[in-house]
Amino acid sequence: GAVVSQHPSWVICKSGTSVKIECRSLDFQATTMFWYRQFPKQSLMLMATSNEGSKATYEQGVEKDKFLINHASLTLSTLTVTSAHPEDSSFYICSAPPGQGNVAFFGQGTRLTVV
Amino acid sequence: DAKTTQPNSMESNEEEPVHLPCNHSTISGTDYIHWYRQLPSQGPEYVIHGLTSNVNNRMASLAIAEDRKSSTLILHRATLRDAAVYYCILKQGAQKLVFGQGTRLTINP
Repeated sequence: GAVVSQHPSWVICKSGTSVKIECRSLDFQATTMFWYRQFPKQSLMLMATSNEGSKATYEQGVEKDKFLINHASLTLSTLTVTSAHPEDSSFYICSAPPGQGNVAFFGQGTRLTVV
Repeated sequence: DAKTTQPNSMESNEEEPVHLPCNHSTISGTDYIHWYRQLPSQGPEYVIHGLTSNVNNRMASLAIAEDRKSSTLILHRATLRDAAVYYCILKQGAQKLVFGQGTRLTINP
């Protein structure tokens, strides 16, 4: 199947700093990528949809100025958590649908801990 | 988004078949039934999907009711590595995936 690579796998940062998470489609081009957040013992919650060459679409209740998404190329989307706080600690996961988009492939996730 | 209902948890024994049910009574004619699973501390992985007919692949089988209001994911011979949260999701084309709570499957040795 198609491969989506996410980096880093885990990161610890100090409160108030910013963290960038990368999501790459390794063997296909992705015009759309999805970003999810997952808190412990909970399901995945969609945060935003990134579109190559245009602005991301954010789900209701997600602060676009806090979670900056850039989809600079057909193989790379980035999520930057700005001015991170402990409540932003979570498991962040990206996803990309190759081709016609019927099946989605996911990155391995990034565990963010803000101290 | 059309909703699905799954049991919160299920338990089975290694090397036995597992049947994971999913109800989706409000499914529309163009909704595909997708199953994904999430192993601990990993991103979800695709398992199988179908529209009307039953589907088989190397990982599992998907049995879809004739009225499409329910479906069952079948793991023919569970292994310990199949312990995961299984999500049943309705999706149209390139739409985003909206995850429910899923079923946490425990496999006993």
